[in-house]
Amino acid sequence: GDSVTQMEGPVTLSEEAFLTINCTYTATGYPSLFWYVQYPGEGLQLLLKATKADDKGSNKGFEATYRKETTSFHLEKGSVQVSDSAVYFCALNGGYNKLIFGAGTRLAVHP
Amino acid sequence: DTAVSQTPKYLVTQMGNDKSIKCEQNLGHDTMYWYKQDSKKFLKIMFSYNNKELIINETVPNRFSPKSPDKAHLNLHINSLELGDSAVYFCASSQGMGESYEQYFGPGTRLTVT
Repeated sequence: GDSVTQMEGPVTLSEEAFLTINCTYTATGYPSLFWYVQYPGEGLQLLLKATKADDKGSNKGFEATYRKETTSFHLEKGSVQVSDSAVYFCALNGGYNKLIFGAGTRLAVHP
Repeated sequence: DTAVSQTPKYLVTQMGNDKSIKCEQNLGHDTMYWYKQDSKKFLKIMFSYNNKELIINETVPNRFSPKSPDKAHLNLHINSLELGDSAVYFCASSQGMGESYEQYFGPGTRLTVT
C-alpha cells in the first residue's frame, strides 16, 4: 500500500541554520504531496503542497519539490527561526482525499 | 471564530466507559474526517464522511462509531474504552474529496484511559 517515510528526529539546529527534512514515498501513480506542521499543543496546518511531478510548493520560506524519479519531497528552509520549532509531517493523498502521513520529524531551533 | 472545533479538549476516563467527542466546522465544507495520533505522534486516518455519507472506514475496532447528524458535525463515539485508545484525536474538514482540497484540522482531543 501507499506509505511515506520521513527522516527520524529530533532535528536540532541553531537559528539561521539551513534545514532539510527528508521525505520519500511509495504510491501507485502520482499522488499529491504535502507538508503539514504541528506547533506544540495545536492541530496540524498545511505548510505547502505539490500536485504533480516537478512542482515546487513554497510557503513562509519553506520549499519542497515533487521528484518522481526519486519519489521524494524533501522540505528545505534557508534560515530557520526559533518560531519554526514544531513537528513536521510529510503526507500523500491516498485517494478520496485520505491523507497518509509519515511518522513526523520534530524540529528544535535554539537561539 | 474557530473554523474546526472539538469538544472536549481533554478527556480522562476509565477503562470500560463509553465516551463521545464532538466536532463542528463552520467553513461550509462537505467532507469531514477523524484522525488518531498515538503517543509517538504517528497520525492515521480513521473515518471520513462526505455530505453525511461514510466514505472511508479504515481498520478501526467496531467500538468506534462515527455519526454525522449534518454536514457541519462529525462526532466520534467510543464504547468500552481500552488503555490503547489513549491518544489525541483530530477532526478535520475539507471542501470536498478531491485531491486539491486542503484539509483544515481542529485542535485535537487528548483522550486518556486509565
